[in-house]
Amino acid sequence: AAGVIQSPRHLIKEKRETATLKCYPIPRHDTVYWYQQGPGQDPQFLISFYEKMQSDKGSIPDRFSAQQFSDYHSELNMSSLELGDSALYFCASSLGVTVINNEQFFGPGTRLTVL
Amino acid sequence: GDSVTQMEGPVTLSEEAFLTINCTYTATGYPSLFWYVQYPGEGLQLLLKATKADDKGSNKGFEATYRKETTSFHLEKGSVQVSDSAVYFCASLNTGGFKTIFGAGTRLFVKA
Repeated sequence: AAGVIQSPRHLIKEKRETATLKCYPIPRHDTVYWYQQGPGQDPQFLISFYEKMQSDKGSIPDRFSAQQFSDYHSELNMSSLELGDSALYFCASSLGVTVINNEQFFGPGTRLTVL
Repeated sequence: GDSVTQMEGPVTLSEEAFLTINCTYTATGYPSLFWYVQYPGEGLQLLLKATKADDKGSNKGFEATYRKETTSFHLEKGSVQVSDSAVYFCASLNTGGFKTIFGAGTRLFVKA
């Protein structure tokens, strides 16, 4: 079965650079979620989109922005990178938010290292 | 707000020992509950889930029962293996919710 695809899987950037992470949800899933997992930490919710509109916002820095496109893929844009942004970034997708038990399916993550 | 609390690790067991990792939740409404496993350097894998009270999720010898009266979802396995060494996350998701709430994770080490 198709899973959530994230690219790139690994990314190395310098401080103050920008980065773009991409997420391709499971076919027919219309909702995507972004999570950040720092070293030794639990995943923290950043932001989500339903039908191309932002649906919820968590602890996402102002330096980050995201959007969902017409084909439902999503991109997380990160600017003015800081050392503390080094983390594993997960994308998850689900089928709608009104469906009972709308389980989120997680991608493999993008590991971002800021030097 | 919603939250998930799980027992702190690390937990160190010998092979074939019994495993329990405690998890309790607070939520408005009736969330679905999950256990995820994360192996070193890898992503999150869904281990098992339960969507309503008294449901039992099970997979690969692991079990957890959704206990509404105690707001708990403890993870158990009767006989652990070295290959079970990983970090285990308990999580909740409210119906119609937009985010999964994770516990802090419990690292399990299994010795041969």
